[in-house]
Amino acid sequence: DTAVSQTPKYLVTQMGNDKSIKCEQNLGHDTMYWYKQDSKKFLKIMFSYNNKELIINETVPNRFSPKSPDKAHLNLHINSLELGDSAVYFCASTSGADTQYFGPGTRLTVL
Amino acid sequence: AQSVSQHNHHVILSEAASLELGCNYSYGGTVNLFWYVQYPGQHLQLLLKYFSGDPLVKGIKGFEAEFIKSKFSFNLRKPSVQWSDTAEYFCAVNGGGATNKLIFGTGTLLAVQP
Repeated sequence: DTAVSQTPKYLVTQMGNDKSIKCEQNLGHDTMYWYKQDSKKFLKIMFSYNNKELIINETVPNRFSPKSPDKAHLNLHINSLELGDSAVYFCASTSGADTQYFGPGTRLTVL
Repeated sequence: AQSVSQHNHHVILSEAASLELGCNYSYGGTVNLFWYVQYPGQHLQLLLKYFSGDPLVKGIKGFEAEFIKSKFSFNLRKPSVQWSDTAEYFCAVNGGGATNKLIFGTGTLLAVQP
């Protein structure tokens, strides 16, 4: 019955590696988001897709590349990981301007 | 540009005390307003939201918030907190439009002492 799911929950990796985080929602929503929560708990939007089309790209380094194979999935691929990428990444989904439902988060630690 | 300010970064209360967390936003148009809660180690959950109508909205777990348009505020209240309310609280605004992105405040960490 999970509404928005993310994998993995924890990700520990070395600087310079490439990694992916996956997100799936079973709510039938048409819009999905990636947010980054830093060590001070500040949440900032990174990307948004509506029906597989990118609609928000917030000054995120191009090492981050989102991909939406269908409207129920939004994955985040990160190239050449840096220490500053360590954070919790949350996926969310919604329909229209209604409530956004968040996934459990992926805690990324770059060593 | 839209922005959200939460004045209290860290609040410590004893159980049964009353709670009010401030939230002010900066946006000239129609907004949708939200309060989310993040319990330790968990994801964000919706507490309540305001889209239109009665400016006093009630949410889950006894929380309520009042939208005061003239003050650009959406303060969160609870008459009597419990230890289980210990969490981070985020105010957010959505100005609608094509992107519907949420702009979050910096969060308020509430610690309730038993």
